Amino acid sequence: DAKTTQPTSMDCAEGRAANLPCNHSTISGNEYVYWYRQIHSQGPQYIIHGLKNNETNEMASLIITEDRKSSTLILPHATLRDTAVYYCIVRAHYNQGGKLIFGQGTELSVKP
Amino acid sequence: NAGVTQTPKFRILKIGQSMTLQCTQDMNHNYMYWYRQDPGMGLKLIYYSVGAGITDKGEVPNGYNVSRSTTEDFPLRLELAAPSQTSVYFCASSSAAGQGGMNEQYFGPGTRLTVT
Repeated sequence: DAKTTQPTSMDCAEGRAANLPCNHSTISGNEYVYWYRQIHSQGPQYIIHGLKNNETNEMASLIITEDRKSSTLILPHATLRDTAVYYCIVRAHYNQGGKLIFGQGTELSVKP
Repeated sequence: NAGVTQTPKFRILKIGQSMTLQCTQDMNHNYMYWYRQDPGMGLKLIYYSVGAGITDKGEVPNGYNVSRSTTEDFPLRLELAAPSQTSVYFCASSSAAGQGGMNEQYFGPGTRLTVT
């Protein structure tokens, strides 16, 4: 599974869009990009995943560049409850057991 | 559904003691996982299981053992506890990875373990 690089921390004003970048320059064609978040030492929570196309669900949007070497998670209207550590994970779909390798993530602080 | 439940929530062990961390899921998921998280760090996979009777090592299996006799339960055993095992332990489960790479893991609330 390819490695990912994320900024250590970011701030965002409440009500604004939060854009969290992730670099995965060694990603291969059959690897998916997953995003999870962890709020205040709770168990991580799945947000979204994608392969090539941009994806959107009720929580967030995922924008993957055409060369797939980077992606951005967008929280369209950040709230204080979105303050969390966000993990970008790359994983091959055939990865036995569905294992996820967590990096250190980005600590997002949403401020009033 | 209760989802993934873990017991105990907190535990303090003395060096050399042993204990079992319990994990149960009621979603009929085949895949289950144990992770540990040290302060300020990401999660590291200890062991995982793709079904009853099948387990395999993750990134950091030393000092731990697991068993999977039923679909619902995946206990983690610590033998001869050491201070290096002070951590927060998370259990997770998922259905078999489906089409489109979908592999949402559902996590329990964690067990906070201190070894002194």
